[in-house]
Amino acid sequence: LAKTTQPISMDSYEGQEVNITCSHNNIATNDYITWYQQFPSQGPRFIIQGYKTKVTNEVASLFIPADRKSSTLSLPRVSLSDTAVYYCLVGDYVDSSYKLIFGSGTRLLVRP
Amino acid sequence: GAVVSQHPSRVICKSGTSVKIECRSLDFQATTMFWYRQFPKQSLMLMATSNEGSKATYEQGVEKDKFLINHASLTLSTLTVTSAHPEDSSFYICSARGGPEEFFGPGTRLTVL
Repeated sequence: LAKTTQPISMDSYEGQEVNITCSHNNIATNDYITWYQQFPSQGPRFIIQGYKTKVTNEVASLFIPADRKSSTLSLPRVSLSDTAVYYCLVGDYVDSSYKLIFGSGTRLLVRP
Repeated sequence: GAVVSQHPSRVICKSGTSVKIECRSLDFQATTMFWYRQFPKQSLMLMATSNEGSKATYEQGVEKDKFLINHASLTLSTLTVTSAHPEDSSFYICSARGGPEEFFGPGTRLTVL
């Protein structure tokens, strides 16, 4: 079973900020939180990874509260090309053999 | 980020034939590679974990004799779908891990007629 729970779908408009929250109540001490983006007929693309507090890169921010039981991916000023499925995964990435279990992901639709 | 390639990107074959899909990590060494299958509108399902120089570990319900995995080097893993049937038609995706991040290939669309 997937270790994460996300909304099945979200709608937004161009230029808006989109926040997708993921629940991972059973996250382990060594687990990192990673978000991927997937377009149709393509492999998932790494967006951002974090362990605690806030992480920001050129495309997104990741907010992780102190208890780490949830995380929020924030996409600033989305465009039509951000329409995709977003997956939240947790895993002990220090362990190279750890398996990623994908949940259903969140289908984000960005409207003009 | 690191680059993972897959070849071919798309393949159509007749029922009963075997198809080999290659997965390469282009700019890093991957001690572990993973193979996933994804059906339309569904999430990725892990099929097997491939470690360089050892036998692959298959997930429950995945037939190891049907989906042959070879991880001959730190940059190459292959998946061979043997005696393919129409129900094997799917999107096959590999990933490679050389550190804390996992990088995915672009996927291979297999259509079995």
